[in-house]
Amino acid sequence: DVKVTQSSRYLVKRTGEKVFLECVQDMDHENMFWYRQDPGLGLRLIYFSYDVKMKEKGDIPEGYSVSREKKERFSLILESASTNQTSMYLCASSFWPGGINYGYTFGSGTRLTVV
Amino acid sequence: AQTVTQSQPEMSVQEAETVTLSCTYDTSESNYYLFWYKQPPSRQMILVIRQEAYKQQNATENRFSVNFQKAAKSFSLKISDSQLGDTAMYFCAFIDPGGKIIFGKGTRLHILP
Repeated sequence: DVKVTQSSRYLVKRTGEKVFLECVQDMDHENMFWYRQDPGLGLRLIYFSYDVKMKEKGDIPEGYSVSREKKERFSLILESASTNQTSMYLCASSFWPGGINYGYTFGSGTRLTVV
Repeated sequence: AQTVTQSQPEMSVQEAETVTLSCTYDTSESNYYLFWYKQPPSRQMILVIRQEAYKQQNATENRFSVNFQKAAKSFSLKISDSQLGDTAMYFCAFIDPGGKIIFGKGTRLHILP
């Protein structure tokens, strides 16, 4: 069964800390994504990557950065965590064999609380 | 700009009933993909059903089926013989030819015993 694994299910960090959220997929997918999910706001795209060492800003990249050194791993970095970054973070991956899109596979999410 | 609208923030139905969740979208593209995702309390987003815009036939997956009306830009999800395990947040999603996915705000569905 294909998998997207997020390293932490719950995380509590202090304001100003540097935070790393890790995501690993075992499906050899080219495309990986980071979303945050907040009540009433739905899912919002933070960053995405279509290839190793490649990254693109999503809709809300401010305060975040990403790293993709290997195809299977896509890390989200909060350079200096703030309380307004308290949220649920979802990682996803996808691929389009022959240009056909089969949708995204999601990880189980990391609930981050910044205190 | 492409948008996805789910007009029902929350719904409740009795177990074994049939329920329909609404979704409309706006796009100028002619070739795209539509999805319904389910997010139960465990938080894992699970793909429920997928529709390719160039296919007129409505997709079905066991108790789940869609009513895809391309001209009306409507993509509703029907759940037949609903079960307690169907309780979840349901998201309608649109993927454009460039691969960008846009989600609706979700419909919270409660299946009552």
